[in-house]
Amino acid sequence: QQPVQSPQAVILREGEDAVINCSSSKALYSVHWYRQKHGEAPVFLMILLKGGEQKGHEKISASFNEKKQQSSLYLTASQLSYSGTYFCGTEAGANNLFFGTGTRLTVIP
Amino acid sequence: KAGVTQTPRYLIKTRGQQVTLSCSPISGHRSVSWYQQTPGQGLQFLFEYFSETQRNKGNFPGRFSGRQFSNSRSEMNVSTLELGDSALYLCGSSSGPYTDTRYFGPGTRLTVL
Repeated sequence: QQPVQSPQAVILREGEDAVINCSSSKALYSVHWYRQKHGEAPVFLMILLKGGEQKGHEKISASFNEKKQQSSLYLTASQLSYSGTYFCGTEAGANNLFFGTGTRLTVIP
Repeated sequence: KAGVTQTPRYLIKTRGQQVTLSCSPISGHRSVSWYQQTPGQGLQFLFEYFSETQRNKGNFPGRFSGRQFSNSRSEMNVSTLELGDSALYLCGSSSGPYTDTRYFGPGTRLTVL
């Protein structure tokens, strides 16, 4: 039930854009995105519900393609503070949240 | 509002022992979920409690158990510890199940020797 994330790691220069993908083999009710910095707990970014919605949060936005059971996280004009590991979590309607293995994002000056 | 509290923050145990971890969710939150995080496996779902009832359980052996009290505080117990149980155990708090933001505590770092 664990979603698959890609890429596993990405290195960006400040100002560049990145896309992180998350896919599931199960019909999803929602997709959650979190960012975790080294030594810290995961921090919530956003939730997307089935219905194919898209959400934005300053320069970080995400989409959810219900037909494909895929979600993508878009980071535009990356900043040094964006560095961390990004996790997608998927809910298939069973009161549990399964996380992908994470995408390590490094932003360099 | 105070955040999610987990105690203890660090724990060292030996194989065969048992351990109890505690989580106090954000005030007013009734749902507590537990996750095991390791470098190799990432974040793995253990179980979730809502109003003192375990609503779902991940794919972990029966050595891992938990409970939730009437004040929403939750405990997780691991019996007969194995080396592979060494991990960061995270507690997530949310106001309810489904589509709700999980606010994570700082975690308990368990080391099994």
